Amino acid sequence: GENVGLHLPTLSVQEGDNSIINCAYSNSASDYFIWYKQESGKGPQFIIDIRSNMDKRQGQRVTVLLNKTVKHLSLQIAATQPGDSAVYFCAENRNSGNTPLVFGKGTRLSVIA
Amino acid sequence: DSGVTQTPKHLITATGQRVTLRCSPRSGDLSVYWYQQSLDQGLQFLIQYYNGEERAKGNILERFSAQQFPDLHSELNLSSLELGDSALYFCASSVDWAPAQTQYFGPGTRLLVL
Repeated sequence: GENVGLHLPTLSVQEGDNSIINCAYSNSASDYFIWYKQESGKGPQFIIDIRSNMDKRQGQRVTVLLNKTVKHLSLQIAATQPGDSAVYFCAENRNSGNTPLVFGKGTRLSVIA
Repeated sequence: DSGVTQTPKHLITATGQRVTLRCSPRSGDLSVYWYQQSLDQGLQFLIQYYNGEERAKGNILERFSAQQFPDLHSELNLSSLELGDSALYFCASSVDWAPAQTQYFGPGTRLLVL
């Protein structure tokens, strides 16, 4: 999707370390963001979401941070495990009519055991 | 398991042919979305249906069409297939029509056009 992009297309992380996956967006009216995980051969799986009235939200081992000033979204994974190896997509709702979520191209996370 | 089911899992066909992909949304979800994912590409939105009616349209080719039936399952029809149509096709569902909500994805149908 245009203008929903990722700073790093691939990321290699040592098992046990923390991972940070970044996403930039361009539409200041965007009001809802989701992170999805897609393992090889599977459909995207919901990880965590955040609305624009928040700047941080935590889940189990994951945290999403939203910086509306610089239009930046990040996903932090604590104590990265081999099972976290996947492609991670951010998606945004541009708050523009009926247009549904717009997805970024994804970042591939490889966990080194 | 997201609760969204898609059939078939794999489909191999020839150029010029027509295929139908099927999707059943999660129980209680009224919206269905179709996406195409080519190799190393992101998810390209094709079309959304809500409670049987077309709600939003994305980059869907004229050779492609979809519908949502009264029982809320959806079908994506791809005709006059070309080599470039080879891709993963995902269906997703959500509770209602609003864009700002979670979509839950099915396992996908892998289409190979030879």
